[in-house]
Amino acid sequence: GNSVTQMEGPVTLSEEAFLTINCTYTATGYPSLFWYVQYPGEGLQLLLKATKADDKGSNKGFEATYRKETTSFHLEKGSVQVSDSAVYFCALSESSGYALNFGKGTSLLVTP
Amino acid sequence: EAGVTQSPTHLIKTRGQQATLRCSPISGHTSVYWYQQALGLGLQFLLWYDEGEERNRGNFPPRFSGRQFPNYSSELNVNALELEDSALYLCASSRTGYSNQPQHFGDGTRLSIL
Repeated sequence: GNSVTQMEGPVTLSEEAFLTINCTYTATGYPSLFWYVQYPGEGLQLLLKATKADDKGSNKGFEATYRKETTSFHLEKGSVQVSDSAVYFCALSESSGYALNFGKGTSLLVTP
Repeated sequence: EAGVTQSPTHLIKTRGQQATLRCSPISGHTSVYWYQQALGLGLQFLLWYDEGEERNRGNFPPRFSGRQFPNYSSELNVNALELEDSALYLCASSRTGYSNQPQHFGDGTRLSIL
């Protein structure tokens, strides 16, 4: 079956540090991959997406590249801000299934 | 453009009661998805509706049900509530049911079972 594995949190970084959140997946077909962010007390916001191998999704300084050979979709940002503190979810959607399979989420805390 | 709206924000019930949660999708979106976010269990897919029909269902018992109305809004009904049904219920919508159409989420309904 399909599954998404994310690195365990919480991750604590100082402002302006480099961020990497690892995500690997298992899928039987050719999934689309997503990163969502959840701020405290809110629902999920789509951060970025990639629909095929070697696609790079980017938004608000965050980037992730769809790597089929390593079945990975790691999230990166060059310089984090306090406002980036949130929970980040990696997710996939199979072409035949349409429901999102989520990883368990990685909590990020950025300190001034 | 208005986002996905869910009501109520909070809902408190007791064991054995029934709960109804509502969702209005983004204008132009025909697919509605329901997810449960329970402590320690992460986000789990519940139901997917498209064009008024139930298209897929997650691994949940039949007391979780719902429907989609002609205006594409949706209801999630949970019967015979149990303590473990306490969770944040998130609704999402997308333009179609295809995988490369991103799902956009509402802020959720917090269901608490006493």
